[in-house]
Amino acid sequence: GDSVTQMEGPVTLSEEAFLTINCTYTATGYPSLFWYVQYPGEGLQLLLKATKADDKGSNKGFEATYRKETTSFHLEKGSVQVSDSAVYFCALTNQAGTALIFGKGTTLSVSS
Amino acid sequence: DVKVTQSSRYLVKRTGEKVFLECVQDMDHENMFWYRQDPGLGLRLIYFSYDVKMKEKGDIPEGYSVSREKKERFSLILESASTNQTSMYLCASSSPGQGNQPQHFGDGTRLSIL
Repeated sequence: GDSVTQMEGPVTLSEEAFLTINCTYTATGYPSLFWYVQYPGEGLQLLLKATKADDKGSNKGFEATYRKETTSFHLEKGSVQVSDSAVYFCALTNQAGTALIFGKGTTLSVSS
Repeated sequence: DVKVTQSSRYLVKRTGEKVFLECVQDMDHENMFWYRQDPGLGLRLIYFSYDVKMKEKGDIPEGYSVSREKKERFSLILESASTNQTSMYLCASSSPGQGNQPQHFGDGTRLSIL
């Protein structure tokens, strides 16, 4: 079945470092892809999305490009801040388009 | 902004109790979802609903049921709570579409079953 694989964390970085969180997927058809972020004590918030191959989603300095040839949707940010410390989830729509399938999440910790 | 409100942030119940978790959204969304979140397992879909009185099983429906009597409200029911249902429960809603509509989440209910 469809699935999402994220790099395991935690990822620990210093402020202003470059961030990459890898996400690869297995899916039938052409799912939409999402990154969600969960700050401590809160629910998930949509960070960015891409709905077709070669689309680039971007928000708050984060970017991810839908790569069909490598079935990947890696999250990147050029310069992280302490406030980016959170858990990041990669997700895709299921084959029926009715629900999301989430990765296990990657914890990011940024220190000043 | 979409607001998804879960009735409790923290809840402690006893084994065997019937437990109700309530979720309300204010954006007239057709779709609503219940997930549980556990360390190392990410989010797993329990049930979802795409219309009033409609429900579909997700990946882990055993031990749970749901109710959607009104469009804005989606309730998760633990028929007879067990310790392995101790978890964080997240509710979400979305508008209909071909899977490209984002889901909006509540802040979660941390449920402990003793």
